[in-house]
Amino acid sequence: QKEVEQDPGPLSVPEGAIVSLNCTYSNSAFQYFMWYRQYSRKGPELLMYTYSSGNKEDGRFTAQVDKSSKYISLFIRDSQPSDSATYLCAISTSSYKLIFGSGTRLLVRP
Amino acid sequence: GAVVSQHPSWVICKSGTSVKIECRSLDFQATTMFWYRQFPKQSLMLMATSNEGSKATYEQGVEKDKFLINHASLTLSTLTVTSAHPEDSSFYICSARDQGVNGYTFGSGTRLTVV
Repeated sequence: QKEVEQDPGPLSVPEGAIVSLNCTYSNSAFQYFMWYRQYSRKGPELLMYTYSSGNKEDGRFTAQVDKSSKYISLFIRDSQPSDSATYLCAISTSSYKLIFGSGTRLLVRP
Repeated sequence: GAVVSQHPSWVICKSGTSVKIECRSLDFQATTMFWYRQFPKQSLMLMATSNEGSKATYEQGVEKDKFLINHASLTLSTLTVTSAHPEDSSFYICSARDQGVNGYTFGSGTRLTVV
């Protein structure tokens, strides 16, 4: 079993839709959770960082963590074509290494 | 915000030659830097962790003699791919962590093509 599982997609939605991206993880000791956005041939860009269960909101983005279910989500409201990218969930371990999900490719159609 | 500069953004080299990739933290001191490799449509795979002034720690299966990592200062880490072969062709990405930053800042990546 992979430590972090993520549906690779692709996920195609119309402009303005609410997008839901999800990951599950296996180790209940993980505490720090991140979402990155990666455009083609570019390095990942940090979108959200959280370490507790619950919701964290930043503009159109909401990160949700459910530690009891070992489930993390990223919601994008009013999605735009410029949101088309690969979204990677990541978990920071106690040794500060990041474990990435496989990434979900998102396409927002105009 | 924190910025990590990675150069070159792309490089083409002949088999058997060596290539050096630089990763610089521009506005913060990076006590720890990480090097990743990413194949098309796949996630990032951690290759090694480097701490300033000490030897890098390589992940299982990564050849330390092929992928030489140097972290000589708090703002610069380098990855040298030695005796490159076509199977080393990939997208290499560095990231840096600062103790005072919640998160990791990534470079823009280097696309290496070995012909």
